[in-house]
Amino acid sequence: QSVLTRPPSVSAAPGQKVTISCSGSSSNIGNNYVSWYQQLPGTAPKLLIYDNNKRPSGIPDRFSGSKSGTSATLGITGLQTGDEADYYCGTWDSSLSAYVFGAGTKVTVL
Amino acid sequence: QLQLQESGPGLVKPSETLSLTCTVSGGSISSSSYYWGWIRQPPGKGLEWIGSIYYSGSTYYNPSLKSRVTISVDTSKNQFSLKLSSVIVADTAVYYCARLPRVFGVLKSSDYWGQGTLVTVSS
Repeated sequence: QSVLTRPPSVSAAPGQKVTISCSGSSSNIGNNYVSWYQQLPGTAPKLLIYDNNKRPSGIPDRFSGSKSGTSATLGITGLQTGDEADYYCGTWDSSLSAYVFGAGTKVTVL
Repeated sequence: QLQLQESGPGLVKPSETLSLTCTVSGGSISSSSYYWGWIRQPPGKGLEWIGSIYYSGSTYYNPSLKSRVTISVDTSKNQFSLKLSSVIVADTAVYYCARLPRVFGVLKSSDYWGQGTLVTVSS
């Protein structure tokens, strides 16, 4: 059972927007940086967002991250079929002295 | 371009020790800005951070695995390694090695990943 809670799945039509929430506590999201990862089927995870809202080089601006209090959100606009993947939030937990991942959210493009 | 490559046996018997090595190329494992770590993913399940090591040898481990995990580093070979003892079937997973940027001792993210290697625990 992860210390970070998230919706198991979200879906939307092509071109639409989806948001994925990740909820934690003051020991993790509330006081540490949040990252988001995209895992396409059969591949290694890829860093999508780091430091709450920054995109690595090569990540399109359709992907955005935000954090407020003990929750973080990943937004995907202009949804494409190639965005179908599992998305994970991750952050440091100061109480556990451990890096923790959310359980993953499956994005389906209808 | 930084690359990480996992290597090691793909099959381990129950109660034995799983051993994997990650070779880093295109960058130095001795950088002060990063930890290096292991993350696993059982078939059809989510990601689980196993632990991470700094080039000096300082480590963090997942509390749920701490009693069975040892991560070590060999800066001369630009490699770090994982040992997981007393494995059970539930340890079957794809094991990834990764680079984790740090700030004030806190791990911020996993920005480079290896391709992963499947380790099956079975007799």
